[in-house]
Amino acid sequence: EVQLVESGGALVQPGGSLRVSCAASGFTFSNYGMNWVRQAPGKGLEWVSAISGSGENTNYADSVKGRFTISRDNSKNTLYLQMNSLRAGDTAVYYCAKGRYCSGGSCPSWFDPWGQGTLVAVSS
Amino acid sequence: EIVLTQSPATLSLSPGERVTVSCRASQSVSSHLAWYQQKPGQAPRLLIYDASNRATGIPARFSGSGSGTDFTLTISSLESEDFAVYYCQQRNNWPLTFGGGTKVEFK
Repeated sequence: EVQLVESGGALVQPGGSLRVSCAASGFTFSNYGMNWVRQAPGKGLEWVSAISGSGENTNYADSVKGRFTISRDNSKNTLYLQMNSLRAGDTAVYYCAKGRYCSGGSCPSWFDPWGQGTLVAVSS
Repeated sequence: EIVLTQSPATLSLSPGERVTVSCRASQSVSSHLAWYQQKPGQAPRLLIYDASNRATGIPARFSGSGSGTDFTLTISSLESEDFAVYYCQQRNNWPLTFGGGTKVEFK
């Protein structure tokens, strides 16, 4: 069974930094693209970032480009999102989501399954 | 950026009724459109990928159709566990984008 478990969410001051993680199991992690998707309180879904299975290809939403960095450690089956220069508008539940088979290259995907999410709150 | 517009925003229905949710793209996404269901306090669940393919474990009452710019999610006969918010999502172009959601609520 595929499982994705996020961790690292916290209350952070504006301008601060945070790294959230996603531990994956139940599949060959390095063969699949992975994504971060966020949902602000009471709002819809917003795709944040994607990374190929090898980690060589990354993509970002314009709203986070230059501030957030997606990465992965295939030896630990773990996905990361480093978030810098955080703003109030970044407050959301951050979900990691498995994409389609993608060992390398750019593989835009649907998301299946999703983790349970981790809450990042940016406030002074 | 491809904008996905869902309609209607809210549907008030009774169990047993047929549900039709529309998703219109600002430019062609070929067949690269997915549908998700989200219940309160839960993560979204993939229902349909690439316009018409049911995800693993999804009941046959859920179906998707369309291509290009116009897509439809249909629930043939609404069951109590189907009351939720539904989102469409395109994977044809970066950045990946979602529709604004359609809430299916009890009438």
